[in-house]
Amino acid sequence: DVKVTQSSRYLVKRTGEKVFLECVQDMDHENMFWYRQDPGLGLRLIYFSYDVKMKEKGDIPEGYSVSREKKERFSLILESASTNQTSMYLCASRAQDPTGELFFGEGSRLTVL
Amino acid sequence: AQSVSQHNHHVILSEAASLELGCNYSYGGTVNLFWYVQYPGQHLQLLLKYFSGDPLVKGIKGFEAEFIKSKFSFNLRKPSVQWSDTAEYFCAVNARNIGNTGKLIFGQGTTLQVKP
Repeated sequence: DVKVTQSSRYLVKRTGEKVFLECVQDMDHENMFWYRQDPGLGLRLIYFSYDVKMKEKGDIPEGYSVSREKKERFSLILESASTNQTSMYLCASRAQDPTGELFFGEGSRLTVL
Repeated sequence: AQSVSQHNHHVILSEAASLELGCNYSYGGTVNLFWYVQYPGQHLQLLLKYFSGDPLVKGIKGFEAEFIKSKFSFNLRKPSVQWSDTAEYFCAVNARNIGNTGKLIFGQGTTLQVKP
């Protein structure tokens, strides 16, 4: 089975802190994604990586950055957390085929106080 | 930029009623279309997808969807819903770009509540 593992299920941070969310997949997938899920807004794409060291902005990249140094790992970084970044963060991976299924991690619920 | 719109935010049905959830997208190029479902407390999982050929696609659990290119729509249907279909449903569009396989954009989601 494909496994996408997010390092933290629940985090509580203070405004201004730097936050790292880690995601690891074990299926040698080329594509990896970070979304945030908010009630009534669905899943909004933050960043997308289509290969190692390759990234593309999604719809809401402001306040976020990403790192993909190795194929299996895709990190989301909040340089200075703000309260409006309180959300559920979902990582997903997919093989190179654009018709392929996205496999999701369990999510990281971040609360910024 | 591509976008996906789901018009029904919250749908309440009785068991055995028929279901149709609307999905429209905006993108002029080649697209692949998906419906994902998220049952309470679970991961998102793929319900069905369209990438070419017959515009009527069938998925798991009796769901189907029809791609109408002229209307930029990909509506989800089920003839008779069950209580176990209570979940949140997301339409998604992958717009292919030159140089990479494209990014998957989701709609706002529709919460379906089925009353027993």
